[in-house]
Amino acid sequence: SQTIHQWPATLVQPVGSPLSLECTVEGTSNPNLYWYRQAAGRGLQLLFYSVGIGQISSEVPQNLSASRPQDRQFILSSKKLLLSDSGFYLCAWSPLSGGIAGNIQYFGAGTRLSVL
Amino acid sequence: QQPVQSPQAVILREGEDAVINCSSSKALYSVHWYRQKHGEAPVFLMILLKGGEQKGHEKISASFNEKKQQSSLYLTASQLSYSGTYFCGTPTQGAQKLVFGQGTRLTINP
Repeated sequence: SQTIHQWPATLVQPVGSPLSLECTVEGTSNPNLYWYRQAAGRGLQLLFYSVGIGQISSEVPQNLSASRPQDRQFILSSKKLLLSDSGFYLCAWSPLSGGIAGNIQYFGAGTRLSVL
Repeated sequence: QQPVQSPQAVILREGEDAVINCSSSKALYSVHWYRQKHGEAPVFLMILLKGGEQKGHEKISASFNEKKQQSSLYLTASQLSYSGTYFCGTPTQGAQKLVFGQGTRLTINP
């Protein structure tokens, strides 16, 4: 069965510090991968998605970046964190081909980031 | 185009029923429903694939009306475990990603 791992679960970082969040998927090949951010009490904001190694689509221009160095690894990074980067970061995966109906997404447990 | 959910929040007593709506200004090929419990990640509930189709999960069912470009989620005889925020999602841009509604917060009180 497929599993998605995301770490760390909680992170407290000072403003201006770098960030690296990692997400890995097991039990599947060629997944679509996604990074979302959720502010407290708010909805799911798609940040990046990837349909293959090295292929990254950015949804929201900001000081974050994403990389996919391996098929089942997705990394979210920042060189200098801002206060506004605080939030709940979720990684998700979906099967490559869901047709016109779209792909069911399966979420990792999330990383709660506090920038102070 | 983000789908619009209504209501934004619902408070029920255990055993009562609720309906959550999801509307889109664009043609819908499918609607996905997710539930997110407080402090946890969203979990997939069901996908509606064609007009009029109803699906069920526990005592939760949903309908999808292609012509009206909307879906409704029905929670019958609600249980405390149903509390959480419900999101609908619709595929877009080659169906590689989902656009989620703003969420409906459901609170079930004993």
